[in-house]
Amino acid sequence: KAGVTQTPRYLIKTRGQQVTLSCSPISGHRSVSWYQQTPGQGLQFLFEYFSETQRNKGNFPGRFSGRQFSNSRSEMNVSTLELGDSALYLCASRAGPPYEQYFGPGTRLTVT
Amino acid sequence: AQRVTQPEKLLSVFKGAPVELKCNYSYSGSPELFWYVQYSRQRLQLLLRHISRESIKGFTADLNKGETSFHLKKPFAQEEDSAMYYCALSPGLSSNTGKLIFGQGTTLQVKP
Repeated sequence: KAGVTQTPRYLIKTRGQQVTLSCSPISGHRSVSWYQQTPGQGLQFLFEYFSETQRNKGNFPGRFSGRQFSNSRSEMNVSTLELGDSALYLCASRAGPPYEQYFGPGTRLTVT
Repeated sequence: AQRVTQPEKLLSVFKGAPVELKCNYSYSGSPELFWYVQYSRQRLQLLLRHISRESIKGFTADLNKGETSFHLKKPFAQEEDSAMYYCALSPGLSSNTGKLIFGQGTTLQVKP
């Protein structure tokens, strides 16, 4: 089975711009979760989508949003980028039982 | 507050020595606990989960609800165990939520 894929792998944006990141889950997985990883805050949960509905949400401002399509692919969008949004963004998909999360390689976002 | 604490950023041991990676959590209910591992240039992956009570690659972890701890142990470290280890908590049944709360991670360095 192909693993979780994320595109693009690297991205450089300017403050104030917006960005869209994409995540393709493992075939058959309907749950996709997003995480932000930074040296200071570590891995923080952004949100989870299941069958095109947001099921859980972390403590991030409304500038961070996401969606899921009928084929379970998911996108996350960050509007009005700030320098502090520079991070590695990971997505994970799962199905179950046993509901193990499979992580993608991440998208490295740099905001200048 | 829901929190996972890994007190050591770096743990350095010699090959063949015992290893204990510490994890303490704060959660009012009955969490599910996990250890994730990230080897160099690889994706974050599940190592073990407390409900399965199994040993993976010689590692075990016991949930101590009284001490709210979930320490990861291995009796004899191998060089290939060198990696970043994350303790994580699921605030609810993993069948219902993909949300994970991660600790800051501990780098395990096994010296020859």
